[in-house]
Amino acid sequence: GENVEQHPSTLSVQEGDSAVIKCTYSDSASNYFPWYKQELGKGPQLIIDIRSNVGEKKDQRIAVTLNKTAKHFSLHITETQPEDSAVYFCAASTGSGGSNYKLTFGKGTLLTVNP
Amino acid sequence: DTAVSQTPKYLVTQMGNDKSIKCEQNLGHDTMYWYKQDSKKFLKIMFSYNNKELIINETVPNRFSPKSPDKAHLNLHINSLELGDSAVYFCASSPSPGTSGGASSYNEQFFGPGTRLTVL
Repeated sequence: GENVEQHPSTLSVQEGDSAVIKCTYSDSASNYFPWYKQELGKGPQLIIDIRSNVGEKKDQRIAVTLNKTAKHFSLHITETQPEDSAVYFCAASTGSGGSNYKLTFGKGTLLTVNP
Repeated sequence: DTAVSQTPKYLVTQMGNDKSIKCEQNLGHDTMYWYKQDSKKFLKIMFSYNNKELIINETVPNRFSPKSPDKAHLNLHINSLELGDSAVYFCASSPSPGTSGGASSYNEQFFGPGTRLTVL
């Protein structure tokens, strides 16, 4: 089955700096890569996603890049703010988008943005 | 409010007991999921249901039995609770691929707030 590795497990940055979280996946058939943010005591929430036919996607301060050949994708957060502090999860889909659509998650990155 | 809701939020019980966690979504989604998040924050799928039909069962022990009375509800019943069952359980839902809410075949999963289960 799919295996998703995520690094680093913890990341501490100063407010205003950039943060980068990297993930690799094992199944070359995976074709959808979402990123979720989980705040303390809450469920994960989708912040951005990318499909395998796209190399890069940006939404304000957040961007995701995908390298299909190397089977890795990354989350970039610019101009970090204290409210960006949370656990971030990458994921990869192993289904075709049908009813067996399934996400395999990385182990998460605890991001701390220091004021 | 439109959302995925779970009850209870906290559940503390003794080993060997049987307990249930309820999940409801009013988003009109066809697919619902249960995830387990362990103490190290690792998030792993347990089950998924599409329109009340079991689609994915990720080698979860038979003590766990999901039940979907209708497509808006997916409850999780756990028999003979063990210490290792202690975790946060998340329910999630997503629209069927290709339907409204999904311009692509890949649809966002909306997570509930979680149920923290502690087995003593």
